[in-house]
Formats: sequence, C-alpha cells, structure tokens
Amino acid sequence: DAGVTQSPTHLIKTRGQQVTLRCSPISGHKSVSWYQQVLGQGPQFIFQYYEKEERGRGNFPDRFSARQFPNYSSELNVNALLLGDSALYLCASSPLREETQYFGPGTRLLVL
Amino acid sequence: DAKTTQPPSMDCAEGRAANLPCNHSTISGNEYVYWYRQIHSQGPQYIIHGLKNNETNEMASLIITEDRKSSTLILPHATLRDTAVYYCIRDTGNQFYFGTGTSLTVIP
Repeated sequence: DAGVTQSPTHLIKTRGQQVTLRCSPISGHKSVSWYQQVLGQGPQFIFQYYEKEERGRGNFPDRFSARQFPNYSSELNVNALLLGDSALYLCASSPLREETQYFGPGTRLLVL
Repeated sequence: DAKTTQPPSMDCAEGRAANLPCNHSTISGNEYVYWYRQIHSQGPQYIIHGLKNNETNEMASLIITEDRKSSTLILPHATLRDTAVYYCIRDTGNQFYFGTGTSLTVIP
C-alpha cells in the first residue's frame, strides 16, 4: 500500500512569496494533519482537517492556511514568506481523527 | 511541547536493551502517549502508543507509570538501524504535542 505522499520534495522561495504544499493521505484515511519542523527541533502542529473541516489549529499566524478536498487530499498555503518559515513541512494521515497518524516524507522549504 | 521532556541524547550497545524515558507530568486523563522515531529528517515513524496499560508490539514495549506522569520506551535488542531521534508525544485527540526528543546512538 502506498503511504502518505507529499509534493514537492524540495522548494526554494524568496521572502514575501507564497507557497502551496500538497499531501495525499493513505487510501481510506479521512484525517490529515500538518506539522512544521524547524532544523534541530521537534515537529510543531499547524492544522488538522477531518472530513474537509478544520478540527484543530496550532499557534501559527494567519499567513498559514490549509484545506482538504473531497478525495481527502490536502494543501497547505503559506503567504508572505519569512526567513523563519524555512523548515521541513510534514503531513500525516489517520483513518479517523483520534487514531494513529502516519507521516509522509515531508517537503523541505528554504526561504531566501 | 515544554510539558513533555526527554533526555537529549543516549547511547546503547548493539544487542542490549535501550530504555528511553519521558516525563509528561501534566498529561490529562484521556491523552494517549505515543512514541515515534525520526531518521535523518525523514518523516517520523510510528512505534507504539498507550493510555494506561503497558503495551508491547513487534518493535518495542511501552511502560507507563501508574500515575501516568512518565513512561519508558524499551527497544529490547537494539541494532545499528535503531539509531534515530525518538519522540514522546501527548495526543489530545486532534493534536500531537511532540516532546523534546532523544537522539539514540547504537554503538557496535
């Protein structure tokens, strides 16, 4: 079975630009969560979506937004990029909201 | 998550048991404890989870104290491929709070 997939794998942007990251969950999984992992730190929760609705939001500014599509795939958008947004962005899926999460390989974003 | 603390690093001899502690003294009664590991900044890999009782699977054992304020992940026979950063996590149901992480090095 295919695991969680994320695209692109790497991305370079400049300050002020906007970026969209994509995530496809494991087949049959209806919940998707997004995490930011800055180098040397543990992942920080950004959003959880379940059945196309936002179910949880971490302590991130409004520049961060996300959505989930009818096929349960998800996009994370970040506007007005800052140097501090440089990180590994991880997507995780689970069958239902309160179940074990399975992580994708991540998208590495570098903001110059 | 400042409420979930782990030692920053540990060494373990190959073939020996690795015991990784985690302090989660403020965990709520309905929050699960999860353990994941991360190798070379890949996506975290699920290991095991529990609520109150001790748990065992093919990868590891999880010992949770009776007061649930701490837990220990046990890798019974560590191999070189177990070298990774191990995270203890509080699960509130809709959010994972990652601990500080322990970098485990398995020594030949």
